[in-house]
Amino acid sequence: DTAVSQTPKYLVTQMGNDKSIKCEQNLGHDTMYWYKQDSKKFLKIMFSYNNKELIINETVPNRFSPKSPDKAHLNLHINSLELGDSAVYFCASSHTYIPSGYNEQFFGPGTRLTVL
Amino acid sequence: AQTVTQSQPEMSVQEAETVTLSCTYDTSESNYYLFWYKQPPSRQMILVIRQEAYKQQNATENRFSVNFQKAAKSFSLKISDSQLGDTAMYFCASWIQGAQKLVFGQGTRLTINP
Repeated sequence: DTAVSQTPKYLVTQMGNDKSIKCEQNLGHDTMYWYKQDSKKFLKIMFSYNNKELIINETVPNRFSPKSPDKAHLNLHINSLELGDSAVYFCASSHTYIPSGYNEQFFGPGTRLTVL
Repeated sequence: AQTVTQSQPEMSVQEAETVTLSCTYDTSESNYYLFWYKQPPSRQMILVIRQEAYKQQNATENRFSVNFQKAAKSFSLKISDSQLGDTAMYFCASWIQGAQKLVFGQGTRLTINP
């Protein structure tokens, strides 16, 4: 059984379009994340949610809007896509947010987004 | 700002050799966690090993071990008896307690040659 799944795995679209990437985890985790990996393989966090509430919002254009309908899902919607949005987007999840500790993050397989 | 630096963009060794990947980090926090992640061509991010900063003993997972030098803020990964399946990108990462986020290094592309 897949622990953290993302759909689609590949997404090719035109500049200016709006697209969504879905993420689901079946691990019973309370915290979910979105990361962006650019063409140079650099991986950086974009957002994190704990119990459907936004915890981290890095300096990300407001064209990117995460939505968490429930604890098991964290979707990423991107408006007015630009060439620079081309990247691999990873979803991850972990157990409950602990201010003084760390719980391992489990990553999804990634979604390769190509903007033409 | 918290930073993680991997100074080796690429490395290549022969199968069965031992290889060491370097990582340095900068943090102002007293309690933090350090990790090595592996990303094979399949793109999947796989946790290889983790180290709690308060533990002096270096973490070990089978053929993988770390050399954690807290004063020098160094966290290198040693892979013993390297195998073809070890070919991947390797990322060093630090968990920032205050900000509750992982910060990754630039990655090292490791190739194991037959």
